[in-house]
Amino acid sequence: EVQLVESGGGLVQPGGSLRLSCVASGFTFSSYWMYWVRQAPGKGLVWVSHINSDGSSTSYADTVKGRFTISRDNAKNTVYLQVNSLRAEDTAVYFCARVAFRAFCSSTSCFSDFDHWGQGTLVTVSS
Amino acid sequence: DIVMTQSPDSLAVSLGERATINCKSSQSVLYSSNNRNYLAWYQHKQGQPPKLLIYWASTRESGVPDRFSGSGSGTDFTLTISSLQAEDVAVYYCQQYFSTPPTFGQGTKLEIK
Repeated sequence: EVQLVESGGGLVQPGGSLRLSCVASGFTFSSYWMYWVRQAPGKGLVWVSHINSDGSSTSYADTVKGRFTISRDNAKNTVYLQVNSLRAEDTAVYFCARVAFRAFCSSTSCFSDFDHWGQGTLVTVSS
Repeated sequence: DIVMTQSPDSLAVSLGERATINCKSSQSVLYSSNNRNYLAWYQHKQGQPPKLLIYWASTRESGVPDRFSGSGSGTDFTLTISSLQAEDVAVYYCQQYFSTPPTFGQGTKLEIK
């Protein structure tokens, strides 16, 4: 059974940092691109970042570029999101998601729906 | 980025009745070389992760009840629930994966009338 379990969220002051983790199981983690998607309170789903299967290619939303860093450790079946210089508007539930097994992915691009999601981890930025 | 716009923002339907949610993309998400629409639908219940319902605009994910169906092509898409059940109360999102970044509609909140 595919499972994605996020952790690392919490309450942090503006300007602070956190490292979010997503541990995967039930599939060959190193073969899949992974994504972070967030949902602010009362708002919809928004793509934040993604990383290719070997970690050599990453991409970020403009709203987080330069502040967030995505990485992965395929030996630990884990994808990370380092979130720095946090702002109130970063308050959200952060979900990790896996591209579908049928995805069309090269080393530099991937076009896919998301067939498995984690439960999410809440990041609250407030003084 | 491709903008996805859903309508309506909220919808109240009686149990057993049909629910229809629309999604429009700012540009076509039909890939001509394989004739596939790169459009998915998700169901999102409070406190749970989003659940994939439909991909390629009309292919039902394994395990999804057949009362859920997707249709449309190009820029205009529809999610239909043929006979609303109580457990279908949720927010529904469309998502395009034709281009990077993947983008979602703003969501449609479905309630029981």
